[in-house]
Amino acid sequence: AQSVAQPEDQVNVAEGNPLTVKCTYSVSGNPYLFWYVQYPNRGLQFLLKYITGDNLVKGSYGFEAEFNKSQTSFHLKKPSALVSDSALYFCAGDLTDTDKLIFGTGTRLQVFP
Amino acid sequence: DTGVSQDPRHKITKRGQNVTFRCDPISEHNRLYWYRQTLGQGPEFLTYFQNEAQLEKSRLLSDRFSAERPKGSFSTLEIQRTEQGDSAMYLCASSVTLTYNEQFFGPGTRLTVL
Repeated sequence: AQSVAQPEDQVNVAEGNPLTVKCTYSVSGNPYLFWYVQYPNRGLQFLLKYITGDNLVKGSYGFEAEFNKSQTSFHLKKPSALVSDSALYFCAGDLTDTDKLIFGTGTRLQVFP
Repeated sequence: DTGVSQDPRHKITKRGQNVTFRCDPISEHNRLYWYRQTLGQGPEFLTYFQNEAQLEKSRLLSDRFSAERPKGSFSTLEIQRTEQGDSAMYLCASSVTLTYNEQFFGPGTRLTVL
């Protein structure tokens, strides 16, 4: 079955250090992949997406993600974390070209000063 | 603010009551989606509309749930005879037609069924 997985419930990183939030997917075809961020009492905010082409995608607030087809992964990265990056991050995929987004369970990012 | 809006933001109801939520999408977006999010989980797809046509419904959407988008603008989601298991955050999102366009989410309606 098509699915999106986020293997880490929480990621802790010190401010200024690079961060990675992991995402893997399971699908037979070519997926459309997205990252969203959720702050308390606010809706999901779009960060970036992979549709086709360059495997390294750049998005909002200095975030980027790398699509790796052989590893079926789409990890979110940022070279230097900020305390304000602390939030809940969701990976999502349109895995069957049907406009339905399938979400992972979310990863809470905590950036410590 | 021209983003997706949802009303009410919070709803507390007693088991067995009916509730209705409203979503106003971004004005030029012709696709509108409903998702449900429970604590510790990612959002789960419920249904979506292209203009006024409801194109797909998840099997999560029992017969007690109904959604409409009568004029292709705002949408309503009604839950009849609410159950405690319906307690969740109900999210609305909108997008333009093309499949790979990102969906823009509203702040959600948090439903608590007592």
